[in-house]
Amino acid sequence: NAGVMQNPRHLVRRRGQEARLRCSPMKGHSHVYWYRQLPEEGLKFMVYLQKENIIDESGMPKERFSAEFPKEGPSILRIQQVVRGDSAAYFCASSPQGMWTEAFFGQGTRLTVV
Amino acid sequence: QQQVKQSPQSLIVQKGGIPIINCAYENTAFDYFPWYQQFPGKGPALLIAIRPDVSEKKEGRFTISFNKSAKQFSLHIMDSQPGDSATYFCAASNSGGGADGLTFGKGTHLIIQP
Repeated sequence: NAGVMQNPRHLVRRRGQEARLRCSPMKGHSHVYWYRQLPEEGLKFMVYLQKENIIDESGMPKERFSAEFPKEGPSILRIQQVVRGDSAAYFCASSPQGMWTEAFFGQGTRLTVV
Repeated sequence: QQQVKQSPQSLIVQKGGIPIINCAYENTAFDYFPWYQQFPGKGPALLIAIRPDVSEKKEGRFTISFNKSAKQFSLHIMDSQPGDSATYFCAASNSGGGADGLTFGKGTHLIIQP
C-alpha cells in the first residue's frame, strides 16, 4: 500500500480553520475512496470519486465537507470550519476500476482539531 | 449503510496459539469478504479475502472460514507470532466494489504474547 500517497501525515488545526487532505493514487488507478476512522472504530465510507466525477458521496456529512479528484493532481478532501469532532484518521484507497480486489490504502492523515 | 459485526473487540493469545476473529453480516448481496491488518500509524493492508463460492481459504498461516447460510465468516491465525499483533478488520462489499466501497467491522485488537 506504499503506492498510495497521502499528505500531510499529521495535521493540526484550530477550531474554525480549514483542513485540506491530499491523496495521490497509485499509478494507473483512476478510482479513489475516502474513509474516516475514529478511535476504536472501524473505517467509515465517506466518498467515492473517479477523475473529475463524484460517484457516491452518501457517507459525507452534508455540511463543511467536500471532495474532488481533478483531471490532474491529487484527490482533495476539504473540511471547512473544523470542529473537535472532526479529529480522526482519514484514509484514502485507490483502485484501477473501482474493484476492491485491487484496492490499496494509503497511510492516512491524522487530523487533530484543537 | 449495511452493518458488519465483528468480535471480539480485543484478544490476547500466547505465541503459537490460534486466535479466531468472527464477523457477521446482514446484506445477502455482499459477495466479497476481505480481512485487513493494520499496524499503529499505518493504513489497512489487505491480508486475505474470500468469495462465497468457497467455504475456506488459506494463505500461509491465515485462514478464512465462511458460512454462507449463517452469514458469518472468521479469520484464524495459525502458529501466531508476536509480529502478528495488530488490529484486524473484516469487511464486506458487493460485486467486488460498488459505489459505497467496503463496509468494515469495528476491528479487533490482537496481542500475541511471547
